[in-house]
Amino acid sequence: AQSVTQLDSQVPVFEEAPVELRCNYSSSVSVYLFWYVQYPNQGLQLLLKYLSGSTLVESINGFEAEFNKSQTSFHLRKPSVHISDTAEYFCAVIKNTGGFKTIFGAGTRLFVKA
Amino acid sequence: EAGVAQSPRYKIIEKRQSVAFWCNPISGHATLYWYQQILGQGPKLLIQFQNNGVVDDSQLPKDRFSAERLKGVDSTLKIQPAKLEDSAVYLCASSRWVSGKLGEQFFGPGTRLTVL
Repeated sequence: AQSVTQLDSQVPVFEEAPVELRCNYSSSVSVYLFWYVQYPNQGLQLLLKYLSGSTLVESINGFEAEFNKSQTSFHLRKPSVHISDTAEYFCAVIKNTGGFKTIFGAGTRLFVKA
Repeated sequence: EAGVAQSPRYKIIEKRQSVAFWCNPISGHATLYWYQQILGQGPKLLIQFQNNGVVDDSQLPKDRFSAERLKGVDSTLKIQPAKLEDSAVYLCASSRWVSGKLGEQFFGPGTRLTVL
């Protein structure tokens, strides 16, 4: 069965510090991988995605994630966070067969402190 | 382009009552999704449509939940009768195929349902 695990429910970090939000998945077939962000009182927005090609993908606001097939991971990183990065981050997996069903992780709340 | 529209934004009902949610996806998006997001959890896919056909409804509690997308555009999700555990945010999303690959999902603002 397909599943997505976000290992940390909350990650507190000081401003300008680096951060890594972890995501592991299980699937017997190839997948598409996504990170979505939900800012306070806002809807879900796509942050970045891996469909194929280069395993390192970047967002416009400094986040990056690397697809590691052998470790079945898609961890999200940022070298220096801002207060405005405070949000809930969701990892999602779409199985690349059949109906392309989407499974979300439980989310990681990133709290950036001054 | 206009985003995914949902209504109502908030709904409070008593258990055993019925409720319906409406979603209008982004124009041209053939795939429409309904998710349930319980507080503190990630979104759970309830049902996925491709045009007016159901692709996946394996996690839809069919004894009380139903959804339709008759003309392949907007969609309604109904709960009848509601239970306390149905309290959640119901999210609608849509996507389209790009170069043979399923594109990103665009989410609506959600409907927050409280069942008393």
